[in-house]
Amino acid sequence: DVKVTQSSRYLVKRTGEKVFLECVQDMDHENMFWYRQDPGLGLRLIYFSYDVKMKEKGDIPEGYSVSREKKERFSLILESASTNQTSMYLCASSLWAVMNTEAFFGQGTRLTVV
Amino acid sequence: AQKVTQAQTEISVVEKEDVTLDCVYETRDTTYYLFWYKQPPSGELVFLIRRNSFDEQNEISGRYSWNFQKSTSSFNFTITASQVVDSAVYFCALRETSGSRLTFGEGTQLTVNP
Repeated sequence: DVKVTQSSRYLVKRTGEKVFLECVQDMDHENMFWYRQDPGLGLRLIYFSYDVKMKEKGDIPEGYSVSREKKERFSLILESASTNQTSMYLCASSLWAVMNTEAFFGQGTRLTVV
Repeated sequence: AQKVTQAQTEISVVEKEDVTLDCVYETRDTTYYLFWYKQPPSGELVFLIRRNSFDEQNEISGRYSWNFQKSTSSFNFTITASQVVDSAVYFCALRETSGSRLTFGEGTQLTVNP
């Protein structure tokens, strides 16, 4: 059974803290994605990566960075958490070479910044 | 730039009614891929269907059917004889062949009442 696992389901952090959201996939996928989901705004792409150490900005990268040191792991970093980063964060992975294959999603991390 | 629009924010129907969820997309690519996902209350996105831009054949799977019209850049999703278990947020997504980016629409919250 294919799996994308996010390290936490719920997280509460203080303003100004450095926050790490971890995502691991076991499908040997090249592509990995971080999205945030907010009511009425759908899923907005923060960053994605198509290979180890490769990354591309999505639509809303400000305030975030990412790290991909190993193929199976993609980390989202909030350098200095702010209350407007309170959201649901979703990680996904997909094959790079097979363009019409679907992406697989983790269960999501609901982050609250207080 | 690619864009997906789901104009219906919320739809509420009574069980056994048919319901259509609209999806309109924008892309400069001539080859691209479209997807529908379901997000039940548990939160994890579940893949429903994919469609290649060069395949305009409509598809039916049980109570679900999809109408892809390239001329109007639409990829609509119909649920026939809706059931309470169909209550979820439904997302349409687009992937261009020019990259790995997967772009989602705003989502449509479907509520099926008994």
